[in-house]
Amino acid sequence: GAVVSQHPSRVICKSGTSVKIECRSLDFQATTMFWYRQFPKQSLMLMATSNEGSKATYEQGVEKDKFLINHASLTLSTLTVTSAHPEDSSFYICSASGRSSYEQYFGPGTRLTVT
Amino acid sequence: KNEVEQSPQNLTAQEGEFITINCSYSVGISALHWLQQHPGGGIVSLFMLSSGKKKHGRLIATINIQEKHSSLHITASHPRDSAVYICAVAGNQFYFGTGTSLTVIP
Repeated sequence: GAVVSQHPSRVICKSGTSVKIECRSLDFQATTMFWYRQFPKQSLMLMATSNEGSKATYEQGVEKDKFLINHASLTLSTLTVTSAHPEDSSFYICSASGRSSYEQYFGPGTRLTVT
Repeated sequence: KNEVEQSPQNLTAQEGEFITINCSYSVGISALHWLQQHPGGGIVSLFMLSSGKKKHGRLIATINIQEKHSSLHITASHPRDSAVYICAVAGNQFYFGTGTSLTVIP
């Protein structure tokens, strides 16, 4: 099956700094990439959808200026958490799809801890 | 009301037992995914199916489109199967179940 990687898998940063998380589709071209956030013991929550070369579509309640998403190529999307605060600590997961949006392949996730 | 319901929420089994996790959904879908999330958080895609049955090793996933129901079976369960299993459906958007936490005791 298709493989999606995320980097880093874990990151600890200080409050006020920015953190970039990369999501790569390793063996297919991802037309669309999705970014999710997961709080402890809860299900995945969609943050935004990005299509290659265009601006991301954010879900209601997600601050686009805080969570910057770039989908510059068909194999790479990045999520930058700007001016991180402890409440941004969470597990961030990306997924990618090719031509069919229902075929989503999930990355392993990135655990962000803001101190 | 959640679009995707999983049962049970928590499950403890003895090593070697046959395990079934159920998923019911209320929306029209193109595909259903079973995901495995380990205690460290990492997610692994187990299956994507839109009809019938798929098997991979000790894992079997079935789906009944008419009844809007899917099951994930684990045969000869092992402690390393301990994880949270998440059902997700692809309709006009993705909907996720809240997961089933499985603990397999040696």
